[in-house]
Amino acid sequence: QSALTQPASMSGSPGQSITISCTGTSNDVGNYNLVSWYQQHPGKAPKLVIYEVTKRPSGVSNRFSGSKSGYTASLTISGLQPEDEADYYCCSYAGDSTSEVFGGGTKLTVL
Amino acid sequence: QVQLQESGPGLVKPSQTLSLTCTVSGGSISSGGHYWSWIRQNPGKGLEWIGYIYYGGNTYYNPSLKSRVAISIDRSKNQFSLKLTSVTAADTAVYYCARTISTVVTEPDYWGQGTQVTVSS
Repeated sequence: QSALTQPASMSGSPGQSITISCTGTSNDVGNYNLVSWYQQHPGKAPKLVIYEVTKRPSGVSNRFSGSKSGYTASLTISGLQPEDEADYYCCSYAGDSTSEVFGGGTKLTVL
Repeated sequence: QVQLQESGPGLVKPSQTLSLTCTVSGGSISSGGHYWSWIRQNPGKGLEWIGYIYYGGNTYYNPSLKSRVAISIDRSKNQFSLKLTSVTAADTAVYYCARTISTVVTEPDYWGQGTQVTVSS
């Protein structure tokens, strides 16, 4: 069982927007603005798309955005494109004793 | 641009020690400013953080693996390594090495391509 809870799967049509949630606790998401999101295509390494809740690395499309409210962080992908079909994982800092925790991942299908 | 590459045996027998090395290019481990991480992904499952190390040798481990894990660093070779003892089939996974964004933002940014390790007799 993963420390952070994500929906197992989601789907959307090209052009639509979709929001993936990541729910933690007061020990991780709720206590630190250190949530990141990763996109992983089959057989590939994860790619950072959001860090520090809302920041986008250089080169990542501005269709990707992040937010947080309470114990839940969210990744929104606007204007869905076929290449957005992938697995998405959230990650949060969880304090000195635990350090990093991941979500179980969300499989996004672009119909 | 920083690049990371994992290397090591792809097959390990149960109860033995898994040993992997990550070679860093395009940047120096000794320059500081980042932690150097190991993360794994069990077949068809999610990501699991194993631990990370700072160039000075400070280490941080996943509490669930702490009794079996050791991460070390070789600054002269610009490499860091993972040892996982007493492995079982549950340790079969793709193992990734990665660099953290900074020492304050400790989530990974650059990742290696990953290496498959199978635990089997």
